[in-house]
Amino acid sequence: DSGVTQTPKHLITATGQRVTLRCSPRSGDLSVYWYQQSLDQGLQFLIHYYNGEERAKGNILERFSAQQFPDLHSELNLSSLELGDSALYFCASSVDGSYNEQFFGPGTRLTVL
Amino acid sequence: GESVGLHLPTLSVQEGDNSIINCAYSNSASDYFIWYKQESGKGPQFIIDIRSNMDKRQGQRVTVLLNKTVKHLSLQIAATQPGDSAVYFCAAPPGGGADGLTFGKGTHLIIQP
Repeated sequence: DSGVTQTPKHLITATGQRVTLRCSPRSGDLSVYWYQQSLDQGLQFLIHYYNGEERAKGNILERFSAQQFPDLHSELNLSSLELGDSALYFCASSVDGSYNEQFFGPGTRLTVL
Repeated sequence: GESVGLHLPTLSVQEGDNSIINCAYSNSASDYFIWYKQESGKGPQFIIDIRSNMDKRQGQRVTVLLNKTVKHLSLQIAATQPGDSAVYFCAAPPGGGADGLTFGKGTHLIIQP
């Protein structure tokens, strides 16, 4: 158990809908990273938040957004969902924003029908 | 930016043998590398990391070797056990001031009894 929690574990929704994925980092970790894992693209970095502020964006679509709250939990919002958004979404946390090991949560499996 | 790639999508070894999983990277300025293990239905789990000022680092039954001359790193697992069956990823920061981690495609390690 990495200490990172994600909810829900599974999510099934329809095209055009909007969903919110939630992540709680390890106690004491200030950074939260979001990744998408699909069969064709592998694991791809989406966005990084540090202590409530956006630090960096990766391959994140404009339909996706995230935020980190004062208690350091984070939410990833996916809107106008398309079939191709079906994937595993992981969050990871680390102590700070530098080159430290990132601890991954169990993931949320999103299925868009 | 950085790209990392694994040489073999699948590696099959006998239980008790040593396993070697290879990875190549593109950015000679990369200074930090991580190996992750992902079991079916779980998030990536940190195994071991290495910084570019080292050539070798050992953990419990695992060793990572870094060859900066040819931009190659390997993960060696000693006395492979059934519990080692998983997909193994090498990862590195993308470089160029970018954030997150860039992951290779992964090698699926299969343990034969």
